[in-house]
Amino acid sequence: AQKITQTQPGMFVQEKEAVTLDCTYDTSDQSYGLFWYKQPSSGEMIFLIYQGSYDEQNATEGRYSLNFQKARKSANLVISASQLGDSAMYFCAMREGSPTDKLIFGTGTRLQVFP
Amino acid sequence: DGGITQSPKYLFRKEGQNVTLSCEQNLNHDAMYWYRQDPGQGLRLIYYSQIVNDFQKGDIAEGYSVSREKKESFPLTVTSAQKNPTAFYLCASSIVADSRQPQHFGDGTRLSIL
Repeated sequence: AQKITQTQPGMFVQEKEAVTLDCTYDTSDQSYGLFWYKQPSSGEMIFLIYQGSYDEQNATEGRYSLNFQKARKSANLVISASQLGDSAMYFCAMREGSPTDKLIFGTGTRLQVFP
Repeated sequence: DGGITQSPKYLFRKEGQNVTLSCEQNLNHDAMYWYRQDPGQGLRLIYYSQIVNDFQKGDIAEGYSVSREKKESFPLTVTSAQKNPTAFYLCASSIVADSRQPQHFGDGTRLSIL
């Protein structure tokens, strides 16, 4: 069965610094996709970045990048130049294949950015 | 703008009562999902539907029911059989057959017991 593990319940970072949020996964599939979502205190889930298992390059989207290490089964999210608005819960998720296509989520990491 | 609308934002249920959570999307997505989130936890799948008039149970379907009569709509009913319904409920939608595409989420409904 597929599983996502996020071992950091909470992280603190100073404004303008970079921070890495850890995510490891377990799957026997050769083809899979990994997603990161941000959940502010208001509750909505905001899609941040995607990494496919066959992608040769690490994914980047603005200040977000993925440190994807396939052999180690890790997909860590790196947020550069942290902003106060980055304070939120961050979830790593893996998309299960057919037929459900559901997302399997980790337990999340609460990031707090301080001035 | 395209998106997913969930209503109401807050909902209170009395003992023995069924309540229905609304989810509407105008993204023209075929697949829709209902997830439940408990405090300090990730999301768990309740039900999903990939086509109109068809839906499947997820990991925690007991005490819940759904319908998919229209492509745009996927309402969730929390029945009296669900003994611990207090949670945050999120609806999502996505394009079928493109695993690279993310699921898009609504703003959620917080359900509490009176």
